[in-house]
Amino acid sequence: DAKTTQPPSMDCAEGRAANLPCNHSTISGNEYVYWYRQIHSQGPQYIIHGLKNNETNEMASLIITEDRKSSTLILPHATLRDTAVYYCIVRVDGDMRFGAGTRLTVKP
Amino acid sequence: NAGVTQTPKFRVLKTGQSMTLLCAQDMNHEYMYWYRQDPGMGLRLIHYSVGEGTTAKGEVPDGYNVSRLKKQNFLLGLESAAPSQTSVYFCASSYPKPEQFFGPGTRLTVL
Repeated sequence: DAKTTQPPSMDCAEGRAANLPCNHSTISGNEYVYWYRQIHSQGPQYIIHGLKNNETNEMASLIITEDRKSSTLILPHATLRDTAVYYCIVRVDGDMRFGAGTRLTVKP
Repeated sequence: NAGVTQTPKFRVLKTGQSMTLLCAQDMNHEYMYWYRQDPGMGLRLIHYSVGEGTTAKGEVPDGYNVSRLKKQNFLLGLESAAPSQTSVYFCASSYPKPEQFFGPGTRLTVL
């Protein structure tokens, strides 16, 4: 499985876009990029996933570079409730292997 | 739909005691998983199941057993609890959709 690298922490101003980067330089052709988040001590919550193309849903956008070696999760208008740990995971399918993630703090 | 539920929410055990954690899902998912999360760390996979009657080991299976007798239920057992098993346990389910749906967690303390 491809390894992912994320910054340990980031801050974002409320109302602004939060851009969370993830490096996955060893990703293979059939591996998807998944994003989950964990708010406080709750169970992780699925956000979005993609293979090659950029994806958008009601929560976020996922931008994957053309060489697929990195991606960015975009929360277009961050709110205080988006403060959480965000996990970038690269997998074909099945179980998710969670790393340390990025702790995003949205500030007023 | 209740989604994924876990029973109990909290539990305190003494070293050597046994217990079973129950996970139930009402989404007709084929796959189910048990994870543990230690303070300040990401989740680690204990065991998982790809269908009724099947189980497989994950990253950290030692000291745990599982059973999937019914499609909607996935049980995690601790035969002889140890302080190192103090953790928060999360259950999840998925498939045919690839995204996993997680339960609220069980907070277990082993004294």
